[in-house]
Amino acid sequence: GDSVTQMEGPVTLSEEAFLTINCTYTATGYPSLFWYVQYPGEGLQLLLKATKADDKGSNKGFEATYRKETTSFHLEKGSVQVSDSAVYFCALIRNQAGTALIFGKGTTLSVSS
Amino acid sequence: EPEVTQTPSHQVTQMGQEVILRCVPISNHLYFYWYRQILGQKVEFLVSFYNNEISEKSEIFDDQFSVERPDGSNFTLKIRSTKLEDSAMYFCASSLGDGETQYFGPGTRLLVL
Repeated sequence: GDSVTQMEGPVTLSEEAFLTINCTYTATGYPSLFWYVQYPGEGLQLLLKATKADDKGSNKGFEATYRKETTSFHLEKGSVQVSDSAVYFCALIRNQAGTALIFGKGTTLSVSS
Repeated sequence: EPEVTQTPSHQVTQMGQEVILRCVPISNHLYFYWYRQILGQKVEFLVSFYNNEISEKSEIFDDQFSVERPDGSNFTLKIRSTKLEDSAMYFCASSLGDGETQYFGPGTRLLVL
């Protein structure tokens, strides 16, 4: 079945470091891809999305590019801040084949000053 | 900015008791969802709801679970006879259309004793 695999955490970085969180997916057809973020004590917030191959989603300095050839959607940020500390979830939804978001296990990011 | 709200934020119940979790989706959204996240595990899809009926459900969503939209604003998840393994964070989400971005509420943390 369809699935999302994320790199294991936690990821610990110093402020202003470069961030990459790897995400790969398995899906039939052409899913839409998402990154959600969960700050401590809060719900899931959409960070960015991409709906077709080679699309780049971006928001708040974060970017991810939909790579069909490698079935990947890696999240990157050039310079992280302490306020970016959160759990990051990669997810997919199967276009024209259901409404369920399928999530990865989440990656915890901790940024220290 | 419109948001999804959920009540209560926390609920403690005894095994075998019925619980109802409540959600108010974004007002012009047409699709509604429930997800759960057992502590330390991935977010899992339970059910989606459109036009007053279930459009998709997972194998987790068995006969113990039901959903309802009792009026024009609320969307509820009922667990008829709770089990210890139902302890989790339950998230409600809504979207404007099928396959569109899902917006999540802050969650209800359910603890079954």
